[in-house]
Amino acid sequence: GENVEQHPSTLSVQEGDSAVIKCTYSDSASNYFPWYKQELGKRPQLIIDIRSNVGEKKDQRIAVTLNKTAKHFSLHITETQPEDSAVYFCAATPGGSQGNLIFGKGTKLSVKP
Amino acid sequence: SQTIHQWPATLVQPVGSPLSLECTVEGTSNPNLYWYRQAAGRGLQLLFYSVGIGQISSEVPQNLSASRPQDRQFILSSKKLLLSDSGFYLCAWRNPGTSPFFGPGTRLTVL
Repeated sequence: GENVEQHPSTLSVQEGDSAVIKCTYSDSASNYFPWYKQELGKRPQLIIDIRSNVGEKKDQRIAVTLNKTAKHFSLHITETQPEDSAVYFCAATPGGSQGNLIFGKGTKLSVKP
Repeated sequence: SQTIHQWPATLVQPVGSPLSLECTVEGTSNPNLYWYRQAAGRGLQLLFYSVGIGQISSEVPQNLSASRPQDRQFILSSKKLLLSDSGFYLCAWRNPGTSPFFGPGTRLTVL
């Protein structure tokens, strides 16, 4: 089955710097890759997603890139702010599944003022 | 708009006791429904999913079970809880072409 690896597990940056989180997946038929942000004690919330027919997608300070050949995708956050501090999860939907997401183990991002 | 409810919000149960967590969805029809578990400081593990009433698929062997008695109701149960069942239980729904949306979660502590 699908396996999603996420790195790093923790990331600390200064306010205003950029943050990059990387994920790899194993199922070449996976076709949907969302990113979720989870603040302490709260539900994960979708922040951006990308489909396998697109290489890059951007939404203000957040962007996601997808390399299908290498089977990896990355989240880029520019001009980080303290409120970006949270745990970020990547996920992949294996081909042929019922929309079942397989999640990475998460990255705890800390943005220092 | 669609909303998703989970209850209870928190639960403390002794080992060996039964469990029933409920999830209901409003504003959508025939959604795919999911139960995820998140252990403390860990990622999200898919436990069950359902594509329709009475249709349940299990992703991992365990002492938990799920049922979908109505289109927009998803229930997670156990006959006898284990310490390892502690965690944050998240229900989610998804319709084709949409992104999965999570409920507020139930924090379960088994003592």
